[in-house]
Amino acid sequence: DADVTQTPRNRITKTGKRIMLECSQTKGHDRMYWYRQDPGLGLQLIYYSFDVKDINKGEISDGYSVSRQAQAKFSLSLESAIPNQTALYFCATSDVGDELNEQFFGPGTRLTVL
Amino acid sequence: GENVEQHPSTLSVQEGDSAVIKCTYSDSASNYFPWYKQELGKGPQLIIDIRSNVGEKKDQRIAVTLNKTAKHFSLHITETQPEDSAVYFCAASMGSNYQLIWGAGTKLIIKP
Repeated sequence: DADVTQTPRNRITKTGKRIMLECSQTKGHDRMYWYRQDPGLGLQLIYYSFDVKDINKGEISDGYSVSRQAQAKFSLSLESAIPNQTALYFCATSDVGDELNEQFFGPGTRLTVL
Repeated sequence: GENVEQHPSTLSVQEGDSAVIKCTYSDSASNYFPWYKQELGKGPQLIIDIRSNVGEKKDQRIAVTLNKTAKHFSLHITETQPEDSAVYFCAASMGSNYQLIWGAGTKLIIKP
């Protein structure tokens, strides 16, 4: 079974709708991240959480919110979706420690906002 | 803040030849530089990383070099194979408690 799972894998929605993307992990990591990927722009950090009680904004948090329901679950919400939020969204996790920098990514959610 | 530039955006090489992808960073406080490989339909996966106290690191056919003075680092892939075809991302950070800043990616195409 995959260590980091994302649901749904694909989603088409309409402008103005509220949508939630979910991420679950079985790696036992405290740290979780949500990224957005657009062609030619690499990965941009939306939000990150270093533990259940910790939520931090990333580079592009406007229009997004998150909830860390448990160590293993981190969800991303678009309160009112707009077409320029059409992108590939990735969840990632990492362990705690100065030498433990590797991030483990889920398979991604392709979101289309019409 | 930190900015990472990555070149080229697309690289096409003959199977068996070498490939080099270059990145530059702006913040001299950055001390951790990973490279990730993203295959079609998958999330990125770490392939090699280097810290600022090391100038070069190798792992079989891949190597990364770091020039702190010039603030650039490079990924070298030798004896390229079809399975090396993917998008490669470089990134930089000031440590595990800081976010990774990503390059825009390089699409590597291995021609048979």
